[in-house]
Amino acid sequence: AQTVTQSQPEMSVQEAETVTLSCTYDTSENNYYLFWYKQPPSRQMILVIRQEAYKQQNATENRFSVNFQKAAKSFSLKISDSQLGDTAMYFCAFMDNNAGNMLTFGGGTRLMVKP
Amino acid sequence: DGGITQSPKYLFRKEGQNVTLSCEQNLNHDAMYWYRQDPGQGLRLIYYSQIVNDFQKGDIAEGYSVSREKKESFPLTVTSAQKNPTAFYLCASSIRGKGWGSGYTFGSGTRLTVV
Repeated sequence: AQTVTQSQPEMSVQEAETVTLSCTYDTSENNYYLFWYKQPPSRQMILVIRQEAYKQQNATENRFSVNFQKAAKSFSLKISDSQLGDTAMYFCAFMDNNAGNMLTFGGGTRLMVKP
Repeated sequence: DGGITQSPKYLFRKEGQNVTLSCEQNLNHDAMYWYRQDPGQGLRLIYYSQIVNDFQKGDIAEGYSVSREKKESFPLTVTSAQKNPTAFYLCASSIRGKGWGSGYTFGSGTRLTVV
């Protein structure tokens, strides 16, 4: 079974600064996807960014980018120019086609952006 | 606009009662999922369905039941056998087959409290 680990339960960052959230996963599969989801206080789950395992290029979405290290099974999220609206729980998640398209989530990192 | 609708937003259950949480999607997605989220924790899979009239247990299915009679609907019943049902419940849906790595679309959740 796949496992996803987020080792930072809580983090804080000053507005306009950069923060990196860590995620590691364990799998024997070669074809899979990785995701970062954001859950603000409204509790709505919002997809932030996704990475295809067979692509070496790191995904980027505006201020959000990932550092995907396939051999190390690491998938960190970098948030640049942090904004107050980035305050939320962030979940790393893993999906492979052999597991019925199920998402396996990490335990989450609570990010606080301070003014 | 397409999306997933969960109702009700808040639900209160007395000891020994069964309650049903509604989840409806108009995205034409084949697969649907139910997750449970406890305070400060990640999401755990309860049940999932990849096709109408078929569903499988997830990691924490005990005390829960589901049905999938229509593609658009995947209701979750929390039975009296679930000893600690107070939690936040999230429903999601996804594409199967080509495009399987696009991730999930989530509903806005139902907060269930035992009184």
